[in-house]
Amino acid sequence: AQKVTQAQTEISVVEKEDVTLDCVYETRDTTYYLFWYKQPPSGELVFLIRRNSFDEQNEISGRYSWNFQKSTSSFNFTITASQVVDSAVYFCAPNQAGTALIFGKGTTLSVSS
Amino acid sequence: DAGVTQSPTHLIKTRGQHVTLRCSPISGHKSVSWYQQVLGQGPQFIFQYYEKEERGRGNFPDRFSARQFPNYSSELNVNALLLGDSALYLCASSPLRGDRGYTGELFFGEGSRLTVL
Repeated sequence: AQKVTQAQTEISVVEKEDVTLDCVYETRDTTYYLFWYKQPPSGELVFLIRRNSFDEQNEISGRYSWNFQKSTSSFNFTITASQVVDSAVYFCAPNQAGTALIFGKGTTLSVSS
Repeated sequence: DAGVTQSPTHLIKTRGQHVTLRCSPISGHKSVSWYQQVLGQGPQFIFQYYEKEERGRGNFPDRFSARQFPNYSSELNVNALLLGDSALYLCASSPLRGDRGYTGELFFGEGSRLTVL
């Protein structure tokens, strides 16, 4: 069975703070893809980052960075120098290529000025 | 270029009624997927269609059905509506694996918010 856990329900930070969102994906699959999506109040899911399971190299893309540890099935997403516009619900969503995304329950991020 | 478009954006139905939701994918995308998002939860997979055939189905009852048309647009139908069907219904499109531009990413529309009274 596959299970996605986002243990943090809500996070509140002040603008310019760094914030890390946690996600654990339990699966017997050895090859899969990991996505992070952002859902602002408008409702549309916005793609942020995609990684594959066989590449544990951490990456940075602008203010976003990615820390994946396959041994613990955890992949954390960090926003550096948060901004008010980052306020949204963030979902991690793994899948095998061509199959449906499995979404976690989401973490609500509130960034205040 | 236009993104994924869904209609209607909001609708209200009563229990027992039927509803049809529509989705137009991004031009060039041949795969369409439907997700249900209940308030406070992550989206749950309902269907995936490509080449006008069902390619994947989530754990939803037979009251839920869908189809894909030759122009790759899609409809989601829900019969005998229940209060618990109240949710945001999201449509997502993507290129097929092997097609140009495929990354595995799904492109989502803004959804159709269904309220069942």
